[in-house]
Amino acid sequence: GESVGLHLPTLSVQEGDNSIINCAYSNSASDYFIWYKQESGKGPQFIIDIRSNMDKSQGQRVTVLLNKTVKHLSLQIAATQPGDSAVYFCAENSHIKLIFGQGTELSVKP
Amino acid sequence: DSGVTQTPKHLITATGQRVTLRCSPRSGDLSVYWYQQSLDQGLQFLIQYYNGEERAKGNILERFSAQQFPDLHSELNLSSLELGDSALYFCASSPGGGNSGANVLTFGAGSRLTVL
Repeated sequence: GESVGLHLPTLSVQEGDNSIINCAYSNSASDYFIWYKQESGKGPQFIIDIRSNMDKSQGQRVTVLLNKTVKHLSLQIAATQPGDSAVYFCAENSHIKLIFGQGTELSVKP
Repeated sequence: DSGVTQTPKHLITATGQRVTLRCSPRSGDLSVYWYQQSLDQGLQFLIQYYNGEERAKGNILERFSAQQFPDLHSELNLSSLELGDSALYFCASSPGGGNSGANVLTFGAGSRLTVL
């Protein structure tokens, strides 16, 4: 079946450090992946996306790496700030449906 | 403000009851998606409508139904409610139908349903 999962449910980092959040997916036919950030009491917010024909996509302080060989995605956040504290979801566009992973809670210590 | 509007924000009801959740998509978006988020299940895709027609179906129970109206707003109807239906229900919208690869969904703030 289709599934997108995250390796770690929680991640705690020091303010200013880099954060890496990992995600595994199972559908090799998926052609598009997105990372969402969900703050407490709010809906998921788009952070960054990547197409399956790319290895890397960069935004402001965020980078997503895609390794199709092992079906793995990672989200890297540079110089993590307290405002980055949230739950991060990877999502996979599979047969029209956007399938979400379970989420990783990122906690930033001042 | 994401541009996707959901009402009500909070709803408390009893088992066996029926509720309707409403969603207005972002201006210009033709697709509406419904997701259920509970603590132990993450974000579960329920159903998608595109320009008034059902496009994709996920793990939506038979007790649940949805529709998208000509003005593109959507309603999710939940009936014969059970305790386990307590969750956050999110609506999202996108410009296209989702079958062209890049499909960025914009989410609303959600409707929190509590079934007692």
